[in-house]
Amino acid sequence: ETGVTQSPTHLIKTRGQQVTLRCSSQSGHNTVSWYQQALGQGPQFIFQYYREEENGRGNFPPRFSGLQFPNYSSELNVNALELDDSALYLCASSRGTTRTDTQYFGPGTRLTVL
Amino acid sequence: AQSVAQPEDQVNVAEGNPLTVKCTYSVSGNPYLFWYVQYPNRGLQFLLKYITGDNLVKGSYGFEAEFNKSQTSFHLKKPSALVSDSALYFCAVRDQYSGAGSYQLTFGKGTKLSVIP
Repeated sequence: ETGVTQSPTHLIKTRGQQVTLRCSSQSGHNTVSWYQQALGQGPQFIFQYYREEENGRGNFPPRFSGLQFPNYSSELNVNALELDDSALYLCASSRGTTRTDTQYFGPGTRLTVL
Repeated sequence: AQSVAQPEDQVNVAEGNPLTVKCTYSVSGNPYLFWYVQYPNRGLQFLLKYITGDNLVKGSYGFEAEFNKSQTSFHLKKPSALVSDSALYFCAVRDQYSGAGSYQLTFGKGTKLSVIP
């Protein structure tokens, strides 16, 4: 098991609501990346945070936003939830932002939007 | 743009037999390649990565992967499969020229490995 933790484990929301997911990075890691994994698909990159700033973003709308705190933990916020947002949300931490850094994943948060 | 293809949705292998899970990639520059495994209702576990050097990379739990630049492939292998290896396997790539910033990972759709006792 990695030292990356995520909360909550499961979450059920309705369309239009807002949700916040949380991630604690592994000790010694200063970079957090978020991914969305739809059923039967591979993870898709949402964004990455480094030194409390967004450091790159995938093809996701602005209603997906995030934060990183001084202790390197992170939040993913999703506004105006849509049915298609139902997925496993994975957080990954790494030592840095270089291309050779390995990302270590947490167990994920399963979000269901009704 | 970088991309990964895992041509097999499912691979079945008998326990004790060698296994191969296939992966091909497309990048602009030199690739950085990763394999992860996902057990049901769990996150992804890192198995191994290729950055540079020896084309045969050894990883966790007896897995290894062979990098072939001419065929743009990075197949995952294990000499003798265990029932406990049954899981979902993801290949991922990061491009040398992803641009400044995140060096995001791009994943394939995954291959379900079933090891039959």
